[in-house]
Amino acid sequence: SSELTQDPAVSVALGQTVRITCQGDSIRDIYVNWYQQKPGQAPVLVIYDKINRPSGIPARFSGSSSGNTASLTITGAQAEDEADYYCNSREISGNEVLGGGTQLTVL
Amino acid sequence: QVTLRESGPALVRPTQTLTLTCTFSGFSLSTGGMCVSWTRQPPGKALEWLARIDWDDRKYYSTSLGTRLSITKDTSINQVVLTMTNMDPADTGTYYCARMTRLRKGDYASGNYFYAYYMDVWGRGTAVAVS
Repeated sequence: SSELTQDPAVSVALGQTVRITCQGDSIRDIYVNWYQQKPGQAPVLVIYDKINRPSGIPARFSGSSSGNTASLTITGAQAEDEADYYCNSREISGNEVLGGGTQLTVL
Repeated sequence: QVTLRESGPALVRPTQTLTLTCTFSGFSLSTGGMCVSWTRQPPGKALEWLARIDWDDRKYYSTSLGTRLSITKDTSINQVVLTMTNMDPADTGTYYCARMTRLRKGDYASGNYFYAYYMDVWGRGTAVAVS
C-alpha cells in the first residue's frame, strides 16, 4: 500500500512563510488534498487536487507539487493557522490514504 | 448547504459491533460523482481513513481494517451506515463522515482523463469509547 510521509512538526514565525510537505509514490500521478484540523474540531479542506483552494479559504494558503512531493505553503502565517495539517491521496486500489499529519506552531 | 451528522453509541464493549450512522443533507448520494467517506481519530493521534461508498454503490475499505468494516447507504433517507465488528479499546476515538466529491481532469473527449476526489465537507464527529 502507498504511504504519505509528513514531518511531524513545523514552526513558523508570525507573518513568515512556511511550507509543509507530503511525500509519497502515488503523488506523482494522482491528486493530493490538504486538510487543516484545529484542536477539538473536524478537519477542513484547504487545498484540493494539489493546487486548488476552496471558496472561503484565505489566499495565503497555496499548494504545489513536484515529483513525489506535494507542498502546502502558508504565506504570511497567522496565529489562527496554528493547527494540524494532513495530506490525502489515493492508492491504486482506490483506497484513500492520509499522511501522519504535521503540527504547525506559529511563534 | 451541505451538512453531515454522525450518530451512534458513545460506549461499546470489547468484541461488540459498532454501528454508526451518517445523516446528510444538501446533496444526493444518487448523483454521479458523490461519495461519503468515514475517517477516525484516536485521542491525540492522526486521522485514519476507514471506508468510502460511491453513488454507484462501489465500496472501498481500509486495507488494515477491511475485514471488520461494512459500509452501506440508503439514498431514500440520506444516510450512510458504517459497521465495525469485534471492537477493541484501540478503536476508541472520534469518528467522522465526510462528503467526497470529484473534479474531472484531462481530456474527456479522447478518454484520457481521471478524477480527483476530495472530502469537501465534514461532520463534527462522534466520540466512541471502547471499554
